Amino acid sequence: DAGVIQSPRHEVTEMGQEVTLRCKPISGHDYLFWYRQTMMRGLELLIYFNNNVPIDDSGMPEDRFSAKMPNASFSTLKIQPSEPRDSAVYFCASSPLAGVVEQYFGPGTRLTVT
Amino acid sequence: RKEVEQDPGPFNVPEGATVAFNCTYSNSASQSFFWYRQDCRKEPKLLMSVYSSGNEDGRFTAQLNRASQYISLLIRDSKLSDSATYLCVVNIPRGGYQKVTFGTGTKLQVIP
Repeated sequence: DAGVIQSPRHEVTEMGQEVTLRCKPISGHDYLFWYRQTMMRGLELLIYFNNNVPIDDSGMPEDRFSAKMPNASFSTLKIQPSEPRDSAVYFCASSPLAGVVEQYFGPGTRLTVT
Repeated sequence: RKEVEQDPGPFNVPEGATVAFNCTYSNSASQSFFWYRQDCRKEPKLLMSVYSSGNEDGRFTAQLNRASQYISLLIRDSKLSDSATYLCVVNIPRGGYQKVTFGTGTKLQVIP
């Protein structure tokens, strides 16, 4: 099993540019989570999907952030326009069940917005 | 008050020592609890679930205290390889679903 795959692993962009982060969950996992991690705020849940449907997006910071899951094997997190305060590590995780079993994390995308 | 709180540390302990971390949560309806480990510049990985009666996995013991609303992680005979950040996770009921909430983590450094 390849595990959760994220791309790109590193992204450096200028303020105002659009950024798209990608995630492929583990096959057969019905839940997909997007997290953001910073030194100041720790690991924050942004949004999660069940069977491709967004369940809880209360952690999405503002309208500049959007997430989609067009099918069971692919999800995107988009930031438009990006700002320096969006600099963080963004993790995607998947799980066969929400809340009661292990979440499997991808390696993360380290985003730097200058 | 934060929903999940941890002492950030760092906890600096010598090899062979026993160390314990606590994690407090604010919502008494929280139902499931976990400890994750995160190595520097890596993704979090599940260390162990926390069961109501307490559970042990080798040198690691997890406990839940519902009355005082905290979970704990005890590491015995610390190894250099235990150096990492330990994140507690609390799942908080929100209507028909659960909100996964991570603590900010406790950093452990085991010293030779």
